[in-house]
Amino acid sequence: DIQMTQSPSFLSASVGDRVTINCKASQNINKYLNWYQQKLGEAPKRLIYNTNNLQTGIPSRFSGSGSGTDYTLTISSLQPEDFATYFCLQHNSFYTFGAGTKLELK
Amino acid sequence: QVQLKESGPGLVQPSQTLSLTCTVSGFSLTSNSVSWVRQPPGKGLEWMGAIWSGGSTDYNSALKSRLSISRDTSKSQVFLKMNSLQTEDTAIYFCTRRILLWGQGVMVTVSS
Repeated sequence: DIQMTQSPSFLSASVGDRVTINCKASQNINKYLNWYQQKLGEAPKRLIYNTNNLQTGIPSRFSGSGSGTDYTLTISSLQPEDFATYFCLQHNSFYTFGAGTKLELK
Repeated sequence: QVQLKESGPGLVQPSQTLSLTCTVSGFSLTSNSVSWVRQPPGKGLEWMGAIWSGGSTDYNSALKSRLSISRDTSKSQVFLKMNSLQTEDTAIYFCTRRILLWGQGVMVTVSS
């Protein structure tokens, strides 16, 4: 089974900051990596699919990059509505989620 | 309108079997996969298993011995059955179409 190691677990930032969240796979996942945002009491929402493709309707301040085993979600300028929990998901071999990053207001 | 909605008991006793139903609308189960994903309170997401458009299934290896996913295409429903429940199975259970469109989730508590 493919394991996903997501970091950091918690991130404290301010509105306007640039933040990055990382996911490392236990083996090459061939860019089959999605990013999700989850707010309290809601289902996750897909932001990015296949490493760097922005889901329709998602603001362009969200971007993704990576290859092989290492992937990154970047939020270029944090907005108040971005404070939430973020998960990565590999879908190269079945599905495995990262443990999540809780993004909090500093 | 494309939707998924989970239903099932909110409380299950330890060692018993959990049965959940995901009723979908707006799309065909014969053209889309449906996965079950769960989330213990305050914790992360765990993919449990999927039923593919052709009807075959795959399961998380950690749950495979206890889990069964099936469907009734005529009723647009997907079913989850998991036996030998323990307190650590307490979670919100979601069904999702291709890990893109999600149901609202159903909270299941395992307790005597």
